[in-house]
Amino acid sequence: ETGVTQTPRHLVMGMTNKKSLKCEQHLGHNAMYWYKQSAKKPLELMFVYNFKEQTENNSVPSRFSPECPNSSHLFLHLHTLQPEDSALYLCASSQATDGHNEQFFGPGTRLTVL
Amino acid sequence: GESVGLHLPTLSVQEGDNSIINCAYSNSASDYFIWYKQESGKGPQFIIDIRSNMDKRQGQRVTVLLNKTVKHLSLQIAATQPGDSAVYFCAETITGFQKLVFGTGTRLLVSP
Repeated sequence: ETGVTQTPRHLVMGMTNKKSLKCEQHLGHNAMYWYKQSAKKPLELMFVYNFKEQTENNSVPSRFSPECPNSSHLFLHLHTLQPEDSALYLCASSQATDGHNEQFFGPGTRLTVL
Repeated sequence: GESVGLHLPTLSVQEGDNSIINCAYSNSASDYFIWYKQESGKGPQFIIDIRSNMDKRQGQRVTVLLNKTVKHLSLQIAATQPGDSAVYFCAETITGFQKLVFGTGTRLLVSP
């Protein structure tokens, strides 16, 4: 179906919990992204990683902590979230060096913070 | 109080009609544009792209038109099918930059 997979697909957590979202891309890309899609705003870029190095943090609160151990895997560690953080979190990947920046998206993790 | 959700413009068409979805982009320096389709429960999927040195590009049943003078993009879907029902987003960027800026999206509803 897609070269980008995300787990879990659904997550419900309390404000004091710690959880992690996982993304894996099977496309041989070297750039990975986290986006937030909520009912209140257009798709928002959160983080960009190129060759495992973070190259963009779009003013994201520190309760969201990304990790990119290699070019194929990307994590988003969550702690002490707020109810307004409830959203669909999308991972994407692209070939960082081709200039086209066509990004391929995973199916997302639907996060609910109680 | 309850938060107000993002209001998506909606285009309702009959199966077999042609659909036109419009998008106004914000940055006159943007030179690469992408249309994405997002079905319920899925991530956005690439449909078609266009560079700023073109004003029209055709794919299978889809055509993208670019008017740089007024910073406007449109996506035309020929012979719309129920499977085309989704939210459609345009995205803009500058070649070499990785930041895609997405529009708010348009919901397309296709009735049989």
